[in-house]
Amino acid sequence: ELKVEQNPLFLSMQEGKNYTIYCNYSTTSDRLYWYRQDPGKSLESLFVLLSNGAVKQEGRLMASLDTKARLSTLHITAAVHDLSATYFCAVAWDSWGKLQFGAGTQVVVTP
Amino acid sequence: DAMVIQNPRYQVTQFGKPVTLSCSQTLNHNVMYWYQQKSSQAPKLLFHYYDKDFNNEADTPDNFQSRRPNTSFCFLDIRSPGLGDAAMYLCATSRGTAQNTEAFFGQGTRLTVV
Repeated sequence: ELKVEQNPLFLSMQEGKNYTIYCNYSTTSDRLYWYRQDPGKSLESLFVLLSNGAVKQEGRLMASLDTKARLSTLHITAAVHDLSATYFCAVAWDSWGKLQFGAGTQVVVTP
Repeated sequence: DAMVIQNPRYQVTQFGKPVTLSCSQTLNHNVMYWYQQKSSQAPKLLFHYYDKDFNNEADTPDNFQSRRPNTSFCFLDIRSPGLGDAAMYLCATSRGTAQNTEAFFGQGTRLTVV
């Protein structure tokens, strides 16, 4: 059974500082996705990582994938209040693209 | 512009009264999925269709059924909703090829059982 572990589960951020969310998974996969979810809303796609060494950046967020270590990181640079949300990583573990999600990281950014 | 559309956005149903949630897509994707997300939890896959082939997850309760009458539409039927079925239900689609399994999610339907 594929296990996807995210940590931390809760992250209190100070505005302007840098933070990292980690996503470990237990089986071989080269398809990893990061989503953002605001309260009461659906999932918003942030990054699609499809190969070892993939790195993608959008604004203050940067995601990377190391398939050999089975690890992805989501790095937040100079946190701002608008980044408060829950962030999920998800691993596609079969050819149909079925996703196994991590537990999510609830991010709260305070002044 | 909307690509995966779920209706309704909010659904209130009575305990034990059958309810149907719907999902439509304009992407012409082969695969459609239904995920259940309970409060403060991660989404959990209930089942998926590849074209008309239905695939149930092993731990999806029998109370949950699905129909896909054509490529564009997929329905989630809950035969006898219990209080524990209150959740956000997320529909998603993907091309379903080996090179492209990126999932596109709808806005979700929040189900309340009273």
